[in-house]
Amino acid sequence: KQEVTQIPAALSVPEGENLVLNCSFTDSAIYNLQWFRQDPGKGLTSLLLIQSSQREQTSGRLNASLDKSSGRSTLYIAASQPGDSATYLCAVKSNQAGTALIFGKGTTLSVSS
Amino acid sequence: GAVVSQHPSRVICKSGTSVKIECRSLDFQATTMFWYRQFPKQSLMLMATSNEGSKATYEQGVEKDKFLINHASLTLSTLTVTSAHPEDSSFYICSARDGTSGTAQYFGPGTRLTVL
Repeated sequence: KQEVTQIPAALSVPEGENLVLNCSFTDSAIYNLQWFRQDPGKGLTSLLLIQSSQREQTSGRLNASLDKSSGRSTLYIAASQPGDSATYLCAVKSNQAGTALIFGKGTTLSVSS
Repeated sequence: GAVVSQHPSRVICKSGTSVKIECRSLDFQATTMFWYRQFPKQSLMLMATSNEGSKATYEQGVEKDKFLINHASLTLSTLTVTSAHPEDSSFYICSARDGTSGTAQYFGPGTRLTVL
């Protein structure tokens, strides 16, 4: 059974810092991996989606990498801002058709000004 | 982009009552919809998968007689929490898969259920 782990569970940084969020998964037979942002009491905002054949995806100050063989992904946030404060969730989709996403518990980020 | 709505966004009910949550795909046909539950400071946990016109598949530990799921059309799925108890208080999120565009899933904004 696929399990997704995110480290650290919480992170506090001053504005301007570059930071890395980690995600690991136990079954490397994934179809894709996705990073989401969730603000308190809100739904999910998709940030980046990496297909299993890809190594990384970039969007603005965000860069996500994927090492499928080792079961790891990282989300790199450059020049963090207070508006980046949120919970970041990593989710994987298995190769089986019609399956749902399996989520990690998330990393709660707080960026202070 | 694809939009998924949920209604209501927030509901407070008394213990013992039933609550229905709707999930709609607004601009695409959702052949599959997923229902997730999220407790405070926890991640999203899949509750069930529903395919249009067929019975939902429930994850282990989720009571199918308590959480009734209906996916009667390609744009609407409903989750009914029957005889709700305070421990059912949670954030319920649906996602819908567009059958014509591969495996992409689109998430609704969630429904906050509070059972008194």
